[in-house]
Amino acid sequence: SQQGEEDPQALSIQEGENATMNCSYKTSINNLQWYRQNSGRGLVHLILIRSNEREKHSGRLRVTLDTSKKSSSLLITASRAADTASYFCATDAYNQGGKLIFGQGTELSVKP
Amino acid sequence: AAGVIQSPRHLIKEKRETATLKCYPIPRHDTVYWYQQGPGQDPQFLISFYEKMQSDKGSIPDRFSAQQFSDYHSELNMSSLELGDSALYFCASSLVSSRGGLYNSPLHFGNGTRLTVT
Repeated sequence: SQQGEEDPQALSIQEGENATMNCSYKTSINNLQWYRQNSGRGLVHLILIRSNEREKHSGRLRVTLDTSKKSSSLLITASRAADTASYFCATDAYNQGGKLIFGQGTELSVKP
Repeated sequence: AAGVIQSPRHLIKEKRETATLKCYPIPRHDTVYWYQQGPGQDPQFLISFYEKMQSDKGSIPDRFSAQQFSDYHSELNMSSLELGDSALYFCASSLVSSRGGLYNSPLHFGNGTRLTVT
């Protein structure tokens, strides 16, 4: 990957459980974003956390950012079968024109 | 709300042929990005345009070129196609607040063009 690692690469849980995905990156950033991708479809923006923020919530999503460790985590609470998808973190680095560099992604499977 | 439109949705070409992918960004977005995603891979940045001028270039082969037109739509031209070019190609657009300033804009992706080279 151009950017770093995501773990786990694959995660299988039951409906109602929480899912946690982690992401590490290499450069100084303006912000870090999480995207969701259903198989063969486009990426959908979930949440953006700025470099001066440590935690952000959006519905059942909770994102944390630790710039000292260059890492982020995405927590999906009370998961649903419809959450089954691939999740990517992406960093917007300084002086990079707004382009995003993506991590390798976590494939989440939520079983009903 | 209008989204990013890409065409065609699917494209099948033979080796050494050329392909042209089109992208229509969200109205009033000033920046367009192209990404390539191989099977099971993360999206790889190819090239971007800010206000119709190329703003950044990633791992784009010399066989590929792109441009953004006066109506803000963008085209990715791919020549001398190789089997390894088979992938999903995404276009994304965003509204960038200011050049050289802090960017805090999410990217809005189209549904992609699936290119198969045989």
